[in-house]
Amino acid sequence: GNSVTQMEGPVTLSEEAFLTINCTYTATGYPSLFWYVQYPGEGLQLLLKATKADDKGSNKGFEATYRKETTSFHLEKGSVQVSDSAVYFCALSDRGGGFKTIFGAGTRLFVKA
Amino acid sequence: DTAVSQTPKYLVTQMGNDKSIKCEQNLGHDTMYWYKQDSKKFLKIMFSYNNKELIINETVPNRFSPKSPDKAHLNLHINSLELGDSAVYFCASSQDLSIEQFFGPGTRLTVL
Repeated sequence: GNSVTQMEGPVTLSEEAFLTINCTYTATGYPSLFWYVQYPGEGLQLLLKATKADDKGSNKGFEATYRKETTSFHLEKGSVQVSDSAVYFCALSDRGGGFKTIFGAGTRLFVKA
Repeated sequence: DTAVSQTPKYLVTQMGNDKSIKCEQNLGHDTMYWYKQDSKKFLKIMFSYNNKELIINETVPNRFSPKSPDKAHLNLHINSLELGDSAVYFCASSQDLSIEQFFGPGTRLTVL
């Protein structure tokens, strides 16, 4: 079945550091891929998405590229801020999985001033 | 103008009680969901409705019963609450199954 694997957290960085959160997936078809962010005490919100191979999703300085050959969708940001401290979820939705969205376990990011 | 709203935000109750959580969305979406998030932030889908029809029903105790009176509302009723039901419950909606979902703020349920 479909699955999403994210790097375990927490990830602790200093402000302005480079961020990478790894995400790999297993899917039977050609999934759409998503990154969601959950700030403390809030619900998840979509950060970015990509719907086909080689697409790059981007938003708020975050980027992720859909890599079919490595089945990956790693999240990157060149310079993190304290306000980026949150939990980040990688997710996929695939016809082969009945379009049910599968979420990764989440990666908590702490950014220190 | 909240897109997905849930009530209550906090719910503290005793074991064995019955409680309900309500969800409403004003986005005109056809699909709504209930998720359970545990203390380690793991998110598990429980149910999904499309146009008031149940389409996803994961392995959830039958003490949990969703009800969708119309496309904009999806409520969750829980009977005979247990300690293990303590979690944050999120409602979400999307235009259809395959695209991004919009989440409510969550309901933190504590069973004593």
